[in-house]
Amino acid sequence: AQRVTQPEKLLSVFKGAPVELKCNYSYSGSPELFWYVQYSRQRLQLLLRHISRESIKGFTADLNKGETSFHLKKPFAQEEDSAMYYCALKAGGTSYGKLTFGQGTILTVHP
Amino acid sequence: EPEVTQTPSHQVTQMGQEVILRCVPISNHLYFYWYRQILGQKVEFLVSFYNNEISEKSEIFDDQFSVERPDGSNFTLKIRSTKLEDSAMYFCASSETGGMNIQYFGAGTRLSVL
Repeated sequence: AQRVTQPEKLLSVFKGAPVELKCNYSYSGSPELFWYVQYSRQRLQLLLRHISRESIKGFTADLNKGETSFHLKKPFAQEEDSAMYYCALKAGGTSYGKLTFGQGTILTVHP
Repeated sequence: EPEVTQTPSHQVTQMGQEVILRCVPISNHLYFYWYRQILGQKVEFLVSFYNNEISEKSEIFDDQFSVERPDGSNFTLKIRSTKLEDSAMYFCASSETGGMNIQYFGAGTRLSVL
């Protein structure tokens, strides 16, 4: 069974502070991990995926298979980063497949 | 940029009524999905659809639910006899074939069962 845990429902930081949104997963095979973001009144959109190993809007996330984690980090938060963030997992090795989502973390960046 | 389109944005129905939620996936995508999110809960997978058949479904997707691709553009989710607990936000997603497999989501349909 696939499971994704985001332990923080709410996270508040001040502008310019570092931010880390935690994500842990449980999956027996080789997973693909994603971070999706939902800004106010907008649709879910992909922020980044672990196999791309890229930085989007200053965010990075590293897959740590030993700790089964895929935490999202940004060194200097901006007010426009305020949104709901979802970590999601898909079984690796297939070109399609369901996403299993975490509960989501609401990030608020204060001025 | 192409988008997944869902209609209506809000559907209100009486318990026991049938509802059809509509989605227009991105045109060159071949994999289609429905997810739902009950207020305050996780986004949950319902069903995936490829090559005109269901490829995977969750335990939520019981006999009351069905999906269809009636033409070359629409992808629908039908709930035959709605229950109060079907009230949720329903998201459609689509992805293209190949390695990218990024699922693009629609804005959702809020279903309210009274």
